[in-house]
Amino acid sequence: EAGVVQSPRYKIIEKKQPVAFWCNPISGHNTLYWYLQNLGQGPELLIRYENEEAVDDSQLPKDRFSAERLKGVDSTLKIQPAELGDSAVYLCASSLDPYGGELFFGEGSRLTVL
Amino acid sequence: AQTVTQSQPEMSVQEAETVTLSCTYDTSESNYYLFWYKQPPSRQMILVIRQEAYKQQNATENRFSVNFQKAAKSFSLKISDSQLGDTAMYFCAFTPFGNEKLTFGTGTRLTIIP
Repeated sequence: EAGVVQSPRYKIIEKKQPVAFWCNPISGHNTLYWYLQNLGQGPELLIRYENEEAVDDSQLPKDRFSAERLKGVDSTLKIQPAELGDSAVYLCASSLDPYGGELFFGEGSRLTVL
Repeated sequence: AQTVTQSQPEMSVQEAETVTLSCTYDTSESNYYLFWYKQPPSRQMILVIRQEAYKQQNATENRFSVNFQKAAKSFSLKISDSQLGDTAMYFCAFTPFGNEKLTFGTGTRLTIIP
């Protein structure tokens, strides 16, 4: 069974440029998460989807970040415009059971903003 | 708000030795889940072990076991017969019952020395 797939793995952009990350969760997993992981830190939740509905986006900086999960499968996270402080790893995860169940993570997308 | 604290930023042990990683958490909840996740270098994060707070018995998974002390709000991970493949960042995480938000600690970088 395929795991959570993310792309791109690495992205280098200049500040003020836009960037987008894509995630394909495990088939059948209705819950999808985007996490931000700064260097030397644990992941922090940005947004959680149940199917196509964003049920927790309280930590998403909505002035520059946006996300969508059309048809309740793939998801895209966008940053526009990017700032230097956005350099981090963006992790996507999915789960079958959002209440205490195991999260399955992708390999992450490492963003460097110059 | 819940917090998870991992006080050991880095640890190293010789191959085949036993190592214990510490984790403490702060919550007013009585029912919750605790997790240890492993993040190998440049690879995706995976679940190592999961503990339900209402269960008195400590969880075990092969060479991995936990020491769950609910009153002390402590959740340590013991790795027996450590192997080179155990080299990774280890994150302790917490979520209350009925809540989908997972709170991670800052991680412990474990290196197994041949």
